[in-house]
Amino acid sequence: AQSVSQHNHHVILSEAASLELGCNYSYGGTVNLFWYVQYPGQHLQLLLKYFSGDPLVKGIKGFEAEFIKSKFSFNLRKPSVQWSDTAEYFCAVNEYNNNDMRFGAGTRLTVKP
Amino acid sequence: DTEVTQTPKHLVMGMTNKKSLKCEQHMGHRAMYWYKQKAKKPPELMFVYSYEKLSINESVPSRFSPECPNSSLLNLHLHALQPEDSALYLCASSQDGGGLGEQYFGPGTRLTVT
Repeated sequence: AQSVSQHNHHVILSEAASLELGCNYSYGGTVNLFWYVQYPGQHLQLLLKYFSGDPLVKGIKGFEAEFIKSKFSFNLRKPSVQWSDTAEYFCAVNEYNNNDMRFGAGTRLTVKP
Repeated sequence: DTEVTQTPKHLVMGMTNKKSLKCEQHMGHRAMYWYKQKAKKPPELMFVYSYEKLSINESVPSRFSPECPNSSLLNLHLHALQPEDSALYLCASSQDGGGLGEQYFGPGTRLTVT
């Protein structure tokens, strides 16, 4: 089974700073890739997804992610964070045609006003 | 409607109790999932139902028993739980039973076992 690694456990940024959260996975076959966000007290929401095609995907709230197959990576980026982006961010992967989705450990983002 | 609903929101039960968690979606999704999430940890997959049939059971103890009465409903029956089973239990659904779509998550049931 694949595993998912998120390199940053806790990231603290000031408003307007740029954000990049790392995500690597271990599976060598075709995968579907996701970033989910969990705001304090709220349920998991999909930020963006990659299934195929353009490796640079854009999601909600100004987030984007780039799939680099050679590096088994799917890093999340945002040019300018806001205080409201404070949340837990999870990278998730499932093998193509398989419902077994695995989550990374999560990165807690704190944005200082 | 892109909502997955879960009831109850909170549940406190003793180790000898029997209780059930319920999940419902009306998006026409054909796959439904149960996850367990401990505090400050990622969700861990427990069960997957695809086209109303159990397709994945991640070696979950038998004190957790899933049931999918129809394509819109998913239950998780609980019996003789342990305090370490206290967690947030998340339900999710996806359009396709073959893992090709994103999962939509419900708000969860926060379970406390005393």
